[in-house]
Amino acid sequence: DIQMTQSPSTLSASAGDRVTITCRASQNINNWLAWYQQKPGKAPKLLIYEASILESGVPSRFSGSGSGTEFALTISSLQPDDFATYYCQHYNDYPYTFGLGTKLEIK
Amino acid sequence: QVQLVQSGAEVKRPGASVRVSCRASGYTFTDYYLHWVRQAPGQGLEWMGRINPSSGGTNAAQNFQGRVTMTRDTSISTAYMELTRLKSDDTAVYFCARGFGYNAYWGQGTLVTVSS
Repeated sequence: DIQMTQSPSTLSASAGDRVTITCRASQNINNWLAWYQQKPGKAPKLLIYEASILESGVPSRFSGSGSGTEFALTISSLQPDDFATYYCQHYNDYPYTFGLGTKLEIK
Repeated sequence: QVQLVQSGAEVKRPGASVRVSCRASGYTFTDYYLHWVRQAPGQGLEWMGRINPSSGGTNAAQNFQGRVTMTRDTSISTAYMELTRLKSDDTAVYFCARGFGYNAYWGQGTLVTVSS
C-alpha cells in the first residue's frame, strides 16, 4: 500500500498568514492527489484534485503543487473560515489512502 | 443537485453486523463509483473501499477484506456497506462519497457505535 505522510500534524497561524502543508507519498503517484478540508462534525470538502486543479467554488487563495511523491497545499492569506483540518489522499491505485491530517489552529 | 443521503445512527454489540445505506440523487447513479470512508472519534480518514454501481464490482482495503461487503440496488439508486464481526474499534462515522478517484460529493455520515 502507498503511505501518505503529511506534515506538520498541527500548524498555528494567524489570519492573513501564508501557510503550506506538505504531503509525501511512499512511491510515485503521478498527479493523482486530492486535498480536503474538514470541519468538526462535517464531511470532508474537496479543495484540489489532480494535485493542482482547484475544485469549482473553492477560493483562489487555495493552491496545490507537486508531482510524483512530493506535494503541497498552500493557502495564500488565511481567512477565519480556513481554520480546520486538512487531508491529502492519493488515488493512484487501491487502496486510496489518506494522510493523517494537519490541524490548522489559530495562533 | 447531487445528494448522497445516508441511513441513521446505529448501536451494535461486538460481533454483530451493521449495514449502512447511501441513497443517491441528482445524477445517474451508475455513472460514478461510490466510495466508503470511515473516521473514528478524533481520528483521521480511512478509505474502506469502493463499488462500481454499474457493474457491482468492488475493491476493498486489505484491513477490511473478509469483513466488508459493498452492494448496490440500481432500482433505487442506493449503495450499501455491510461490516461484519464488529469490534469496539469499528466505532466511527462512516461516509459514502462519489467519484472515480477524488470525491467531490459526500454523504452526511452515519455514526456506528459498537458497545457491549
